[in-house]
Order: sequence, then C-alpha cells, then structure tokens
Amino acid sequence: DAKTTQPPSMDCAEGRAANLPCNHSTISGNEYVYWYRQIHSQGPQYIIHGLKNNETNEMASLIITEDRKSSTLILPHATLRDTAVYYCIERTGGTSYGKLTFGQGTILTVHP
Amino acid sequence: KAGVTQTPRYLIKTRGQQVTLSCSPISGHRSVSWYQQTPGQGLQFLFEYFSETQRNKGNFPGRFSGRQFSNSRSEMNVSTLELGDSALYLCASSLAGVVGETQYFGPGTRLLVL
Repeated sequence: DAKTTQPPSMDCAEGRAANLPCNHSTISGNEYVYWYRQIHSQGPQYIIHGLKNNETNEMASLIITEDRKSSTLILPHATLRDTAVYYCIERTGGTSYGKLTFGQGTILTVHP
Repeated sequence: KAGVTQTPRYLIKTRGQQVTLSCSPISGHRSVSWYQQTPGQGLQFLFEYFSETQRNKGNFPGRFSGRQFSNSRSEMNVSTLELGDSALYLCASSLAGVVGETQYFGPGTRLLVL
C-alpha cells in the first residue's frame, strides 16, 4: 500500500497558521493526496484533496510540490478546535475501490 | 443533507457472540466502506460495497463479513467475537468509491468485547 510520512506531533499557537508537512516520495501519476483529521475518536473528517495543483477550500489549503513528492496542509488561523490527529493519505486508483490507507498521522496541538 | 449514520453507537458483547452493525450512507452515495480502528493497529480498511457487491476487501479473517442492500444501506457482521475485536468501527460513503472522490465518515460504533 502507498505510504506517507508525517511528523508524529506538532504544536501551534492559536490564531497562527498551522503548516503540516507530508512526504509521499513514491506517489505515482494518478494518485491523489487526501487529508483527513480525527478529533478524539470521532469519525475522520475530510479536509481537502489534490492531484497536482494547489487547492484551497473553506477549511484549509493544500500545497503540493512540483515533483509531487511532498505536500503541506495549511490551516490559516488555527483555533483550539483544530487540535486533532491529521492524516495525509495517498489514494490509489484502479481496483482499490473505497480504500483509504491511514498511517499514524500527526497529532496537532493548538495552544492558547 | 444528512451525513453518514451508524447504529448502534455503543455495543457490549461477550466472546463467542456475533454482532451486526448498520450504516446508512449519504443520500445518493452508492459506495460504502468499512474500517476498524484500534489503538494498536490504527485505522484499517475492512471492505467496500457498491451496488450490493463487494468490490474490495482488506486483510481480515472471514469472521468479518458485510452486505449492502438495494437502498445502499450496509451492514457488517462479526461472528465468534474475540477480545481483540474491541474497536471503533467506522463506515464511510462516497458516490462511486473511486479515486478523486470525497469519502465521508460516520461517527462510528464502539464495540467492547468482554
């Protein structure tokens, strides 16, 4: 299965931008990068996904390097409610229907 | 639009029993995936259903099974429960289960096996 590498934990001050890195050095041309987060054993919450181009939505921005080997999730103004485990996932196509392969993720702690 | 719903939310069973969990996808979504989350193994893919057919399966024993109904609702069953089956079971739905789509998760069913 496709694997990503994330730092185990990060801290961020409330109101500042949180930049969460992810390495996906073996990503292939048709694989997307997805970000989810999970707050205290609730169901994972979708944040954003992208293939090649940078993406932005109401929650976050996703910056993908030109060689696609790494990406950064940006939460522009972190709040205490953004404290969660953040998962970066390579989503494979083909016959891998419905399957997201979760790693250990990054525990983001937002401090007052 | 209502999100993914799962019932029951909490369940306590004893070893050797069986259990059935239910998932109702977002309206219009035909792909339903199931995941198991434990502290030791993290989030692991169980299987995926689309149009009442299992299209993809993770690396779990045959005690774990599922099915999907014509209205896309899905159930998963675990037979002969073991202590290690204690976990949060998550269901997720998407339009067709293909890459590029967004998969939305339900709140999960927490199963405790005694």
